[in-house]
Amino acid sequence: GENVEQHPSTLSVQEGDSAVIKCTYSDSASNYFPWYKQELGKGPQLIIDIRSNVGEKKDQRIAVTLNKTAKHFSLHITETQPEDSAVYFCAASSGTYKYIFGTGTRLKVLA
Amino acid sequence: DGGITQSPKYLFRKEGQNVTLSCEQNLNHDAMYWYRQDPGQGLRLIYYSQIVNDFQKGDIAEGYSVSREKKESFPLTVTSAQKNPTAFYLCASSIGQGAQPQHFGDGTRLSIL
Repeated sequence: GENVEQHPSTLSVQEGDSAVIKCTYSDSASNYFPWYKQELGKGPQLIIDIRSNVGEKKDQRIAVTLNKTAKHFSLHITETQPEDSAVYFCAASSGTYKYIFGTGTRLKVLA
Repeated sequence: DGGITQSPKYLFRKEGQNVTLSCEQNLNHDAMYWYRQDPGQGLRLIYYSQIVNDFQKGDIAEGYSVSREKKESFPLTVTSAQKNPTAFYLCASSIGQGAQPQHFGDGTRLSIL
């Protein structure tokens, strides 16, 4: 069935370093790829998204890249700060009402 | 401020009891969703609704029921038929058909007494 694999499950980086989280999707019809940040006891918050007609999108310290041929997309966070510590989820949607979520990456930024 | 409000934040269920989780949105979104979140797993879709008075089963609908009588409200009932209800439940909404961002509430944590 359709699935999204997300790696790594946990990631620790020093403050100021970069963090990269990768996702691979199976449904070739997927055309929308959002990334969410979830803090403890809260709901996921959209931080950036990308559509299949774009290869890269950047918003300040956050960027997402998409490789449609390989069916994978990545989240890049530069100059990490302690407040970036959270669980990050990727998702893929084919334009229907179904969104397939990855299993999450727990990011720890060490001061 | 526009957003999604879930209540209560914590809920306890006794054996054989049905409980209802509330979800209200003031974003004027047509589509609403219910997800279940378990540790180490991604979000799994329970039910979704594209429009008032219409809803569809997701991947794990057994033991759950919903209603969509108003655009802004999409309550979820966890019935006694759901044998493993302990989880974090998230409600979301989006403008309409897929390929749109979903906005999430802050969740309800349900536990068994």
